[in-house]
Amino acid sequence: AQTVTQSQPEMSVQEAETVTLSCTYDTSESNYYLFWYKQPPSRQMILVIRQEAYKQQNATENRFSVNFQKAAKSFSLKISDSQLGDTAMYFCAFMKHDMEGKSTFGDGTTLTVKP
Amino acid sequence: SAVISQKPSRDICQRGTSLTIQCQVDSQVTMMFWYRQQPGQSLTLIATANQGSEATYESGFVIDKFPISRPNLTFSTLTVSNMSPEDSSIYLCSVTRPGLAGGPQYFGPGTRLTVL
Repeated sequence: AQTVTQSQPEMSVQEAETVTLSCTYDTSESNYYLFWYKQPPSRQMILVIRQEAYKQQNATENRFSVNFQKAAKSFSLKISDSQLGDTAMYFCAFMKHDMEGKSTFGDGTTLTVKP
Repeated sequence: SAVISQKPSRDICQRGTSLTIQCQVDSQVTMMFWYRQQPGQSLTLIATANQGSEATYESGFVIDKFPISRPNLTFSTLTVSNMSPEDSSIYLCSVTRPGLAGGPQYFGPGTRLTVL
């Protein structure tokens, strides 16, 4: 079974600064997908970024980027130029290539952006 | 993306009663997923609902406690039966877009359930 570990239960960052959220996972699979989801205090969870394991290039989405280290089974999220609206709980998730929609989620990291 | 709505958004129920949560998606999807989330904690998958077949339950969840219906490709219900305070949680509906390998999940706004 796959496991996803987020070792930082809570983090804070000053507005406009950069923060990195950590995620490690354990799997024997070679083909899979990794995700970061954001859940603001209003509760609806949304996708932040997606990474395909067979792609070496790190995914980026505007101010959000990942550092994907497949051998180390590490998948960290970097948020640049942090904004107050980035305050949320962030979940790292793993999905096997043949398990449509059935992701394994980490315990989450609560990020607070301070003005 | 997918637009998902859930009803009710929140409810307070007495122990021993049942609550049915509805999930409506703006387009047809193959699989729908029901999760439970304690506030500030991670998501736990309850079951996967396929249209036209029985739902598949994860370990620790049974059909008698969490019956699920999936009458068509855009709608599903989850019933929390014979509730106890331990069932107090947020219940989330989720879908993926068909045809996209490794596609992300889309989540509804959740139903916050409090059992007294």
